[in-house]
Amino acid sequence: QQQVKQSPQSLIVQKGGISIINCAYENTAFDYFPWYQQFPGKGPALLIAIRPDVSEKKEGRFTISFNKSAKQFSLHIMDSQPGDSATYFCAASDDRGSTLGRLYFGRGTQLTVWP
Amino acid sequence: NAGVMQNPRHLVRRRGQEARLRCSPMKGHSHVYWYRQLPEEGLKFMVYLQKENIIDESGMPKERFSAEFPKEGPSILRIQQVVRGDSAAYFCASSPVEQPKTQYFGPGTRLLVL
Repeated sequence: QQQVKQSPQSLIVQKGGISIINCAYENTAFDYFPWYQQFPGKGPALLIAIRPDVSEKKEGRFTISFNKSAKQFSLHIMDSQPGDSATYFCAASDDRGSTLGRLYFGRGTQLTVWP
Repeated sequence: NAGVMQNPRHLVRRRGQEARLRCSPMKGHSHVYWYRQLPEEGLKFMVYLQKENIIDESGMPKERFSAEFPKEGPSILRIQQVVRGDSAAYFCASSPVEQPKTQYFGPGTRLLVL
């Protein structure tokens, strides 16, 4: 059972456009939502993360939007660049002591930005 | 300021052999996590360790897999009697004590079982 559902599976965006990746979850105990970027042959790199007490967090061209009532969160990449072409993973973690360190990952979105 | 280090980066084993994957956390980090990534899939949690302690191993297969994080030296994920289905990328992550959810990943070990 996939705890975090991510869409789309792949995304093609023109350079300068906005890339939007969506994730949804059911577990209301989730309290931490990071996004990771992964290039081929590399490990995932932490990009940006949000907690449910805020609805939006921005770092440079990357913004997380969070909708607690809908149990959805999304990553927006503004002014997308060819160098942003990578696989993006959303993840979530809950606040239960027994699974404190566990991240539940979505299946990933392969982003391609055309020059 | 070295990041999380993993070795080997690539490992080829024949069915029935043992695989040992090593992970050195970032300096100052004492929490280590292992995840497995199958092709076209996200990462799946396997185990969470602190020095000399297994905190959560609920994601580990019950047989053939084990993990340790000794007082000295790297964390080791051990797979005994490997099968073709074990072929995957295995990632280690580490976090500081005060922020267990802020996890930084290593480059991974790609295991291929022939």
